[in-house]
Amino acid sequence: AQSVTQLGSHVSVSEGALVLLRCNYSSSVPPYLFWYVQYPNQGLQLLLKYTSAATLVKGINGFEAEFKKSETSFHLTKPSAHMSDAAEYFCAVTETQGAQKLVFGQGTRLTINP
Amino acid sequence: DTAVSQTPKYLVTQMGNDKSIKCEQNLGHDTMYWYKQDSKKFLKIMFSYNNKELIINETVPNRFSPKSPDKAHLNLHINSLELGDSAVYFCASSQGSTSGGWIDTQYFGPGTRLTVL
Repeated sequence: AQSVTQLGSHVSVSEGALVLLRCNYSSSVPPYLFWYVQYPNQGLQLLLKYTSAATLVKGINGFEAEFKKSETSFHLTKPSAHMSDAAEYFCAVTETQGAQKLVFGQGTRLTINP
Repeated sequence: DTAVSQTPKYLVTQMGNDKSIKCEQNLGHDTMYWYKQDSKKFLKIMFSYNNKELIINETVPNRFSPKSPDKAHLNLHINSLELGDSAVYFCASSQGSTSGGWIDTQYFGPGTRLTVL
């Protein structure tokens, strides 16, 4: 069965610093991977997705993630944190195309210090 | 224009009551979903409908019954509410079909916070 583990339920960085949010997955077949962001009291918004076309995926708001099959990882990074990046971030995996059963990690709360 | 909308945004009710949450999408998508987010922010899929047909049905108590009158709407009805049903319920939609062929993006609604007293 597929699963996702996000290391660190809470990450805190200074404004302008590198953001690194970790995600490791488990899947019996080549997975499709996603990062979603949830701002306070809002729904989830897609940041980026890995669909096997390229291992380095660029998303919105300056975020990117790299798929590393050997490490079963899909970590999310941003070179320079902005105050507006403060939110909850979710990594998700699915093994199916089309209508998907997304399996989410437990989420990582990102706090940005001024 | 709101892509995926849910009503109500907040719902406070007593144990044992029956309540419904409505979801509508104006994206022209074929597939809609219900997710439950618990107090620890863990998100889990409950149901998915494709063109009014149930395609994903996770291990959910049968007190929860989704209803899709048309492909733009997916409502969630909950009977005999329990304390453990307190959560935020998210509706989502995607273009997807059961034939696959592309990797969908799911678009989420703003959520409905259900509190059972």
